[in-house]
Amino acid sequence: DVELLESGGGLGQPGESLRLSCVVSGFIFSRYAMDWIRQAPGKGLEWVGSISGSGGSTYYADSVKGRFTMSRDSSKNTLYLQMRSLRAADTAVYYCAKRQDFSVVASPLDSWGQGTLVTVSS
Amino acid sequence: SYVLTQPPSVSVAPGQTARVTCGGINIGSRTVHWYQQKSAQAPVLVVYDDSDRPSGIPERFSGSNSGNTATLTISRVEAGDEADYYCEVWHGSGYAFGGGTKLTVL
Repeated sequence: DVELLESGGGLGQPGESLRLSCVVSGFIFSRYAMDWIRQAPGKGLEWVGSISGSGGSTYYADSVKGRFTMSRDSSKNTLYLQMRSLRAADTAVYYCAKRQDFSVVASPLDSWGQGTLVTVSS
Repeated sequence: SYVLTQPPSVSVAPGQTARVTCGGINIGSRTVHWYQQKSAQAPVLVVYDDSDRPSGIPERFSGSNSGNTATLTISRVEAGDEADYYCEVWHGSGYAFGGGTKLTVL
């Protein structure tokens, strides 16, 4: 079975950094694009960013571009989200999710983790 | 960016048909995916590529996409279908989600 397990969430102060991790199992990690999706408390889903199966292509939402960086390590079956210059508006549950294809483009998210909560507050 | 518009809520009686719309400029030329999110759970893919169903999703869930509107149709609605539903589209430089529609089963 496909499994995605996020970790690294918690409380961060404005301006600080946090790194989220997502360890996956049940599929060949390097063959699939991966995403981070977030959901602020009581709000809808917001796409954060996508990374291709090789890691060679990344895309980010305007709201996080220049502050967040996605990467992946196939030797560890792990997806990362490095978050810098955190803002209160970044407070959300962050989901790691697997795309159906190697390419990021127009591919559905066919598996999701349970999410990790990031709270940004002083 | 690309804006997707969904009605905040849709209500339907058990056994009836629910239709959740997702509006966007010329969305018919794009590929739409639909996700179901039940309370306090992670989202689940219910329709992809406009009208295809993942394995394990009942045939009661179907989708269509034309012009400026994509539609998720749930036939013979059951109490267990009560959830938030989101559409998603690739817009060329990233993805966009609709604001979500809360389906209430009366």
